[in-house]
Amino acid sequence: ETGVTQSPTHLIKTRGQQVTLRCSSQSGHNTVSWYQQALGQGPQFIFQYYREEENGRGNFPPRFSGLQFPNYSSELNVNALELDDSALYLCASSSTGEEKLFFGSGTQLSVL
Amino acid sequence: RKEVEQDPGPFNVPEGATVAFNCTYSNSASQSFFWYRQDCRKEPKLLMSVYSSGNEDGRFTAQLNRASQYISLLIRDSKLSDSATYLCVVNLSGNMLTFGGGTRLMVKP
Repeated sequence: ETGVTQSPTHLIKTRGQQVTLRCSSQSGHNTVSWYQQALGQGPQFIFQYYREEENGRGNFPPRFSGLQFPNYSSELNVNALELDDSALYLCASSSTGEEKLFFGSGTQLSVL
Repeated sequence: RKEVEQDPGPFNVPEGATVAFNCTYSNSASQSFFWYRQDCRKEPKLLMSVYSSGNEDGRFTAQLNRASQYISLLIRDSKLSDSATYLCVVNLSGNMLTFGGGTRLMVKP
C-alpha cells in the first residue's frame, strides 16, 4: 500500500455532466500529479500541484481543472464530459527533491 | 512521433526464459528514467530506476543509452508472476512523467 487514496473507485457519468475525483496524498508529500490512462495506453500527464498552485500541465483542455488543499489533498474536476474521457484516472504524490512517485489505485470513470 | 515508444507486444514466453524489452525516447533533455510495472487496470508500481552505468535488481537488469536515447529492460528466469505490462517512463523535469504505451508480457507454464 502506498498511502495514496483515491475516491470514488468507480464512477459512471453521462456526456455533458461534470465530475470531481479526489485524492489524499501520502503523509509528508507536498506534490500531487494527475494522470489519465485510456484502455490499452500508458498514463498521460494531466497536471501537477505544488503548494496549492498548478505548476505544470500536460496537453489537456481547460475543462480539466484541479485544486490542492492546505493538507496537500487534491481534486480533479472535469466539465462537459465527453465519451473519450472514459479512462482510469490516477493520482500520484511525491515529495520535493525525490523522484519516486507513489500512485493511488485510481478512479475508473465511464462516460456514457 | 510519440515521446516514448515501446513495442506493445504481447511477448509470450515460457517460464525460465530470458526476455528483453526496449524503449526509445525523443527528448534529449530528459533527466531520469524508470521502468514501472502495471498489473491489469491497477496502479503502476516502480520496478527500477535506469542509469547509464546499468543497474541490476535480482533477475532484472536495466540499461540507458543516452546517445541513442534508448532504454532496455532484461528479465532473466521469467516467473509466472512476472506477467504484467511494463511501462517505460521518462522524467523531463519536476516528476512530470511521460509514459510509453507499455509492453505486455505473458509468462506461460
